[in-house]
Amino acid sequence: QQQVKQSPQSLIVQKGGISIINCAYENTAFDYFPWYQQFPGKGPALLIAIRPDVSEKKEGRFTISFNKSAKQFSLHIMDSQPGDSATYFCAADRGSTLGRLYFGRGTQLTVWP
Amino acid sequence: NAGVTQTPKFQVLKTGQSMTLQCAQDMNHNSMYWYRQDPGMGLRLIYYSASEGTTDKGEVPNGYNVSRLNKREFSLRLESAAPSQTSVYFCASSSQDRLAGELFFGEGSRLTVL
Repeated sequence: QQQVKQSPQSLIVQKGGISIINCAYENTAFDYFPWYQQFPGKGPALLIAIRPDVSEKKEGRFTISFNKSAKQFSLHIMDSQPGDSATYFCAADRGSTLGRLYFGRGTQLTVWP
Repeated sequence: NAGVTQTPKFQVLKTGQSMTLQCAQDMNHNSMYWYRQDPGMGLRLIYYSASEGTTDKGEVPNGYNVSRLNKREFSLRLESAAPSQTSVYFCASSSQDRLAGELFFGEGSRLTVL
């Protein structure tokens, strides 16, 4: 059973637009929600992460919005650039299992110039 | 800094052959992991090692074995490869600082089983 559900599977955005990727989870024991970015031929790398004690976290053009009651979180990329074209994975982790991340299936983002 | 290094980067096997994927990290991390990535499936945990001398099964351990050789090295072995094990394999490591929570990934090992 998939622990973290991610949508959309692919996303095409024009340069300067806003990219939005959504994730949902069921397990209320999850307490750490990172987003990873992966470029072709490379391993995933941590982009930004949030814990459930806050509803939003912003780092530059990247923002995570977190809705604890709905068990949903999303990644917003403002002013999307061609260099943002990559695959994005959301993930979730339980407090008792450090590093045992459950990943979503990924979103392939393409930003057209 | 090398970070997490995986070898080999590419490998082609015939069904039934065995092989070992090697992983080493130079960040003095306690925890190490093996994930597999398949198209449309995301990353799935095969095995992990919370500390030197311990290993545990993840979501998809069948057909694999692991060895935590020392604090730096964590290997993944396929005893009798099957076409269903065609995948990209990623090794990762993390510190046990609960506040950090970040996984550091290698660049992957691309395995094809014919």
